[in-house]
Amino acid sequence: IQLTQSPSTLSASVGDRITITCRASQSIDTWMAWYQQKPGRAPKLLISKASRLESGVPSRFSGSGSGPEFTLTISSLQPDDFATYYCQQYNSYFGPGTKVDIK
Amino acid sequence: QDQLVQSGAEVKKPGSSVKVSCKASGGTFRSYGISWVRQAPGQGLEWMGGILPAFGAANYAEKFQGRVTITSDRSTSTAYMELNSLRSDDTAVYYCARGREGVFDIWGQGTMVTVSS
Repeated sequence: IQLTQSPSTLSASVGDRITITCRASQSIDTWMAWYQQKPGRAPKLLISKASRLESGVPSRFSGSGSGPEFTLTISSLQPDDFATYYCQQYNSYFGPGTKVDIK
Repeated sequence: QDQLVQSGAEVKKPGSSVKVSCKASGGTFRSYGISWVRQAPGQGLEWMGGILPAFGAANYAEKFQGRVTITSDRSTSTAYMELNSLRSDDTAVYYCARGREGVFDIWGQGTMVTVSS
């Protein structure tokens, strides 16, 4: 199963609402996770089972979708959110990543 | 608090092998899987494979089949990833991660492996 993400880069400002899309080459039900990674750091799990927010993750993050298409939304971008985001099929491959940088 | 602590940086020659360790604390080894993920400089995350230490069963990404071996030692709560026939494009940070019902919720600090003649 291949995962694609769009966009590959997203330039945004603090306070913006942003959405990242991940598409699987075939249906994976809701077996999708999202991670945030900052330079020089290990990835951090944000969302599991497509929409389940991990403990301690701010509520401005949300996930949705099933089957082949999923989205990660940040409702109001904060300075700490500028990072690269990856989708992942459970126990398996990652998408290519979306870098969120400052406009 | 559960955590994963990896071995230190390695510099290897092309054609050689590297073995990276990942020591788990807490109940990780009894109840969870351990996976390995690598990241080449400036590139994305690449899943390599994983193991269920309670059973010793490993599975591998197709790309690495035949070149990587993932093992675990329950007596020391340590998982290992050995990569053979190293090439320059294997230069990367290698992470271990705890697999909790299919997601990777705790990560090691990463081990830099440099392949250079």
